[in-house]
Amino acid sequence: EDKVVQSPLSLVVHEGDTVTLNCSYEVTNFRSLLWYKQEKKAPTFLFMLTSSGIEKKSGRLSSILDKKELSSILNITATQTGDSAIYLCAVEARRAGGTSYGKLTFGQGTILTVHP
Amino acid sequence: DTGVSQDPRHKITKRGQNVTFRCDPISEHNRLYWYRQTLGQGPEFLTYFQNEAQLEKSRLLSDRFSAERPKGSFSTLEIQRTEQGDSAMYLCASSPQPGQGTFEQYFGPGTRLTVT
Repeated sequence: EDKVVQSPLSLVVHEGDTVTLNCSYEVTNFRSLLWYKQEKKAPTFLFMLTSSGIEKKSGRLSSILDKKELSSILNITATQTGDSAIYLCAVEARRAGGTSYGKLTFGQGTILTVHP
Repeated sequence: DTGVSQDPRHKITKRGQNVTFRCDPISEHNRLYWYRQTLGQGPEFLTYFQNEAQLEKSRLLSDRFSAERPKGSFSTLEIQRTEQGDSAMYLCASSPQPGQGTFEQYFGPGTRLTVT
Protein backbone atom coordinates (compact mmCIF):
# COMPACT_ATOMS: atom_id res chain seq x y z
CA GLU A 1 0.00 0.00 0.00
CA ASP A 2 1.29 3.45 -0.90
CA LYS A 3 2.45 5.54 2.04
CA VAL A 4 3.38 9.20 2.52
CA VAL A 5 4.87 10.61 5.72
CA GLN A 6 5.39 14.29 6.42
CA SER A 7 7.50 15.96 9.07
CA PRO A 8 7.32 17.87 11.22
CA LEU A 9 3.61 17.60 11.98
CA SER A 10 3.58 21.20 13.17
CA LEU A 11 5.95 24.13 13.10
CA VAL A 12 5.78 27.58 14.66
CA VAL A 13 8.05 30.33 13.35
CA HIS A 14 8.26 34.11 13.20
CA GLU A 15 7.92 36.26 10.13
CA GLY A 16 11.11 36.33 8.13
CA ASP A 17 12.23 32.85 9.13
CA THR A 18 13.01 30.16 6.55
CA VAL A 19 11.30 26.80 6.91
CA THR A 20 11.85 23.37 5.39
CA LEU A 21 9.05 20.84 5.27
CA ASN A 22 9.78 17.18 4.59
CA CYS A 23 7.92 14.47 2.76
CA SER A 24 8.95 10.84 2.34
CA TYR A 25 7.09 8.22 0.37
CA GLU A 26 6.82 4.54 -0.40
CA VAL A 27 4.92 3.91 -3.59
CA THR A 28 4.97 1.32 -6.31
CA ASN A 29 5.58 2.81 -9.75
CA PHE A 30 6.04 6.42 -8.67
CA ARG A 31 4.81 8.97 -11.20
CA SER A 32 4.66 12.35 -9.48
CA LEU A 33 4.77 14.16 -6.16
CA LEU A 34 2.57 17.15 -5.50
CA TRP A 35 2.54 19.85 -2.83
CA TYR A 36 -0.66 21.60 -1.80
CA LYS A 37 -1.42 24.44 0.61
CA GLN A 38 -4.62 24.17 2.64
CA GLU A 39 -6.08 27.01 4.61
CA LYS A 40 -9.64 26.86 5.93
CA LYS A 41 -10.86 25.39 2.68
CA ALA A 42 -9.81 23.01 -0.06
CA PRO A 43 -6.18 22.33 -0.94
CA THR A 44 -4.66 24.68 -3.51
CA PHE A 45 -2.00 23.37 -5.87
CA LEU A 46 1.60 24.53 -5.39
CA PHE A 47 4.00 22.25 -7.28
CA MET A 48 4.21 18.99 -9.16
CA LEU A 49 7.54 17.16 -9.32
CA THR A 50 8.28 14.28 -11.64
CA SER A 51 11.31 12.45 -12.95
CA SER A 52 11.63 15.12 -15.63
CA GLY A 53 11.16 18.02 -13.25
CA ILE A 54 12.79 17.48 -9.89
CA GLU A 55 13.08 21.12 -8.83
CA LYS A 56 10.45 23.83 -8.92
CA LYS A 57 10.42 27.42 -7.68
CA SER A 58 7.78 30.07 -7.38
CA GLY A 59 8.57 33.25 -5.55
CA ARG A 60 9.56 32.42 -1.98
CA LEU A 61 8.56 28.77 -2.33
CA SER A 62 10.72 26.06 -3.81
CA SER A 63 10.66 22.28 -3.83
CA ILE A 64 13.09 19.51 -4.68
CA LEU A 65 12.44 15.84 -5.36
CA ASP A 66 15.08 13.27 -4.38
CA LYS A 67 14.09 10.06 -6.16
CA LYS A 68 17.01 8.18 -4.71
CA GLU A 69 15.97 8.98 -1.14
CA LEU A 70 12.25 8.79 -1.99
CA SER A 71 11.65 12.19 -0.48
CA SER A 72 10.92 15.82 -1.18
CA ILE A 73 11.36 19.09 0.63
CA LEU A 74 9.36 22.29 0.44
CA ASN A 75 11.25 25.45 1.36
CA ILE A 76 9.64 28.73 2.23
CA THR A 77 11.95 31.71 2.65
CA ALA A 78 11.14 35.01 4.37
CA THR A 79 7.92 33.59 5.79
CA GLN A 80 4.85 35.80 6.15
CA THR A 81 1.75 35.40 8.30
CA GLY A 82 -0.15 34.57 5.12
CA ASP A 83 1.95 31.42 4.78
CA SER A 84 0.20 29.99 7.85
CA ALA A 85 -1.60 26.89 6.59
CA ILE A 86 -1.46 23.12 6.38
CA TYR A 87 1.00 21.96 3.73
CA LEU A 88 0.09 18.63 2.16
CA CYS A 89 2.32 16.32 0.20
CA ALA A 90 0.78 13.73 -2.13
CA VAL A 91 2.13 11.09 -4.48
CA GLU A 92 0.66 9.60 -7.62
CA ALA A 93 1.52 6.16 -8.96
CA ARG A 94 1.79 4.94 -12.50
CA ARG A 95 -0.31 2.14 -13.94
CA ALA A 96 1.22 -0.60 -16.05
CA GLY A 97 1.67 0.91 -19.47
CA GLY A 98 2.74 4.26 -18.05
CA THR A 99 -0.59 6.01 -17.73
CA SER A 100 -1.62 7.73 -14.54
CA TYR A 101 -3.10 5.61 -11.82
CA GLY A 102 -5.26 8.55 -10.90
CA LYS A 103 -5.51 8.60 -7.16
CA LEU A 104 -3.34 10.72 -4.91
CA THR A 105 -2.06 9.37 -1.62
CA PHE A 106 -1.67 12.23 0.85
CA GLY A 107 0.48 12.63 3.91
CA GLN A 108 -0.94 13.86 7.18
CA GLY A 109 0.21 17.40 6.51
CA THR A 110 2.44 19.90 8.27
CA ILE A 111 0.69 22.69 10.16
CA LEU A 112 2.74 25.85 9.73
CA THR A 113 2.05 28.83 11.97
CA VAL A 114 3.86 32.09 11.26
CA HIS A 115 3.72 34.69 14.02
CA PRO A 116 4.18 38.41 13.31
CA ASP B 1 -15.72 31.23 -11.70
CA THR B 2 -14.25 28.41 -13.74
CA GLY B 3 -12.94 26.30 -10.85
CA VAL B 4 -14.35 23.14 -9.33
CA SER B 5 -17.64 23.76 -7.54
CA GLN B 6 -19.42 21.65 -4.94
CA ASP B 7 -22.90 21.77 -3.50
CA PRO B 8 -23.93 22.00 -0.75
CA ARG B 9 -21.03 23.51 1.18
CA HIS B 10 -22.39 22.28 4.50
CA LYS B 11 -24.81 19.49 5.36
CA ILE B 12 -26.10 18.49 8.77
CA THR B 13 -28.11 15.29 8.85
CA LYS B 14 -29.39 12.80 11.36
CA ARG B 15 -27.95 9.33 11.58
CA GLY B 16 -29.70 6.97 9.23
CA GLN B 17 -30.64 9.57 6.65
CA ASN B 18 -29.38 9.58 3.07
CA VAL B 19 -27.39 12.49 1.67
CA THR B 20 -26.24 13.41 -1.83
CA PHE B 21 -23.47 15.79 -2.82
CA ARG B 22 -22.79 17.30 -6.23
CA CYS B 23 -19.51 18.24 -7.89
CA ASP B 24 -19.05 20.25 -11.07
CA PRO B 25 -15.49 19.91 -12.40
CA ILE B 26 -13.51 22.35 -14.50
CA SER B 27 -15.25 22.10 -17.85
CA GLU B 28 -12.39 20.77 -19.97
CA HIS B 29 -11.28 18.17 -17.41
CA ASN B 30 -11.98 14.53 -18.19
CA ARG B 31 -11.10 13.17 -14.77
CA LEU B 32 -13.05 13.69 -11.57
CA TYR B 33 -12.03 12.47 -8.11
CA TRP B 34 -13.69 12.19 -4.72
CA TYR B 35 -11.74 12.37 -1.45
CA ARG B 36 -12.71 12.42 2.20
CA GLN B 37 -10.83 14.42 4.82
CA THR B 38 -11.22 14.18 8.58
CA LEU B 39 -9.75 16.57 11.11
CA GLY B 40 -6.00 16.40 11.35
CA GLN B 41 -5.60 14.09 8.38
CA GLY B 42 -4.78 14.49 4.74
CA PRO B 43 -7.47 13.72 2.16
CA GLU B 44 -8.18 10.03 1.53
CA PHE B 45 -9.02 8.81 -1.94
CA LEU B 46 -12.54 7.43 -2.44
CA THR B 47 -13.08 7.02 -6.18
CA TYR B 48 -12.42 8.57 -9.56
CA PHE B 49 -13.97 8.81 -13.01
CA GLN B 50 -12.60 9.28 -16.47
CA ASN B 51 -15.49 10.74 -18.40
CA GLU B 52 -18.47 8.66 -17.26
CA ALA B 53 -16.48 5.54 -16.40
CA GLN B 54 -15.70 4.86 -12.75
CA LEU B 55 -12.15 3.52 -12.92
CA GLU B 56 -11.22 2.95 -9.30
CA LYS B 57 -12.92 2.63 -5.93
CA SER B 58 -11.16 2.64 -2.59
CA ARG B 59 -11.77 -0.05 0.00
CA LEU B 60 -12.93 2.88 2.14
CA LEU B 61 -16.01 3.14 -0.06
CA SER B 62 -18.46 0.83 1.66
CA ASP B 63 -21.63 -0.35 -0.01
CA ARG B 64 -23.45 2.60 1.56
CA PHE B 65 -21.50 4.93 -0.74
CA SER B 66 -22.20 5.31 -4.42
CA ALA B 67 -20.88 7.77 -6.96
CA GLU B 68 -22.04 8.53 -10.48
CA ARG B 69 -21.01 10.70 -13.36
CA PRO B 70 -23.75 9.89 -15.86
CA LYS B 71 -22.87 12.25 -18.69
CA GLY B 72 -19.20 12.68 -18.02
CA SER B 73 -19.72 16.17 -16.62
CA PHE B 74 -20.94 16.66 -13.04
CA SER B 75 -20.79 13.89 -10.46
CA THR B 76 -22.84 12.95 -7.42
CA LEU B 77 -21.77 11.12 -4.28
CA GLU B 78 -24.54 9.53 -2.25
CA ILE B 79 -24.22 8.16 1.26
CA GLN B 80 -27.06 5.95 2.42
CA ARG B 81 -27.96 5.30 6.06
CA THR B 82 -25.41 7.81 7.32
CA GLU B 83 -23.37 7.04 10.42
CA GLN B 84 -21.57 9.41 12.76
CA GLY B 85 -18.27 8.14 11.37
CA ASP B 86 -19.23 9.58 8.00
CA SER B 87 -18.79 13.11 9.38
CA ALA B 88 -15.99 14.63 7.33
CA MET B 89 -15.15 17.06 4.57
CA TYR B 90 -15.90 15.53 1.17
CA LEU B 91 -13.63 16.98 -1.48
CA CYS B 92 -13.97 16.79 -5.23
CA ALA B 93 -11.10 17.39 -7.63
CA SER B 94 -10.65 17.34 -11.39
CA SER B 95 -7.76 17.07 -13.80
CA PRO B 96 -7.17 16.76 -17.52
CA GLN B 97 -6.72 13.28 -18.94
CA PRO B 98 -3.07 12.25 -18.74
CA GLY B 99 -1.33 13.05 -21.98
CA GLN B 100 -3.18 16.31 -22.35
CA GLY B 101 -0.58 18.60 -20.85
CA THR B 102 -0.31 18.97 -17.11
CA PHE B 103 -2.44 16.68 -15.02
CA GLU B 104 -2.38 18.05 -11.51
CA GLN B 105 -5.64 17.80 -9.62
CA TYR B 106 -7.56 20.95 -8.70
CA PHE B 107 -9.85 20.80 -5.70
CA GLY B 108 -13.27 22.25 -5.05
CA PRO B 109 -14.27 23.96 -1.77
CA GLY B 110 -15.62 20.75 -0.28
CA THR B 111 -18.86 19.70 1.39
CA ARG B 112 -18.65 19.47 5.15
CA LEU B 113 -20.95 16.71 6.43
CA THR B 114 -22.00 16.50 10.06
CA VAL B 115 -24.00 13.46 11.14
CA THR B 116 -25.77 13.92 14.48
